Amino acid sequence: GQNIDQPTEMTATEGAIVQINCTYQTSGFNGLFWYQQHAGEAPTFLSYNVLDGLEEKGRFSSFLSRSKGYSYLLLKELQMKDSASYLCAVSGGSYNTDKLIFGTGTRLQVFP
Amino acid sequence: GAVVSQHPSRVICKSGTSVKIECRSLDFQATTMFWYRQFPKQSLMLMATSNEGSKATYEQGVEKDKFLINHASLTLSTLTVTSAHPEDSSFYICSARDRVTIYFGEGSWLTVV
Repeated sequence: GQNIDQPTEMTATEGAIVQINCTYQTSGFNGLFWYQQHAGEAPTFLSYNVLDGLEEKGRFSSFLSRSKGYSYLLLKELQMKDSASYLCAVSGGSYNTDKLIFGTGTRLQVFP
Repeated sequence: GAVVSQHPSRVICKSGTSVKIECRSLDFQATTMFWYRQFPKQSLMLMATSNEGSKATYEQGVEKDKFLINHASLTLSTLTVTSAHPEDSSFYICSARDRVTIYFGEGSWLTVV
């Protein structure tokens, strides 16, 4: 079956660092995406990992371990505008490698 | 600017009528597009895979006769919600992949009254 797990909610303080974890079990794997979604808006692309290791992009970093079926998104120097839902998505159904399966999303609230 | 464009962004329709939502890839050709639905405070649920020049592939539990998908060209896919009911009110989002990554349209809010 297909299963992607993320914490439902997290809170953090402005300026701090937060790590959002994602574990997955899918029939196929062609990469893992992280998206940010503000309420009422479409998701925006943050990162893509297909090989093991850490991908760094400014304040955001994403890590992948394929053998463990595990990824995390690291947000540094948190800002109030980072309050949003963060969606972990795995690409790669059994017949379509572009098909994205989404986790439930993690709602992050950043407090001053 | 937007890589994938959706239209309309918001639509209100009467119960029993049909509504068409368009998804266009800008500056790239997409042989495959995806349609998602998202209810408030929930994640995106894949409805169907739209294939250019062939029939769409629907996910389990999605009524193909109710959610008609047409992918007539390499840059346009349409989703038609037929005989809409209030429970169809939701946020509908399409996505398409260019050479680098998967992009989402801006989304379309459908309210059926």
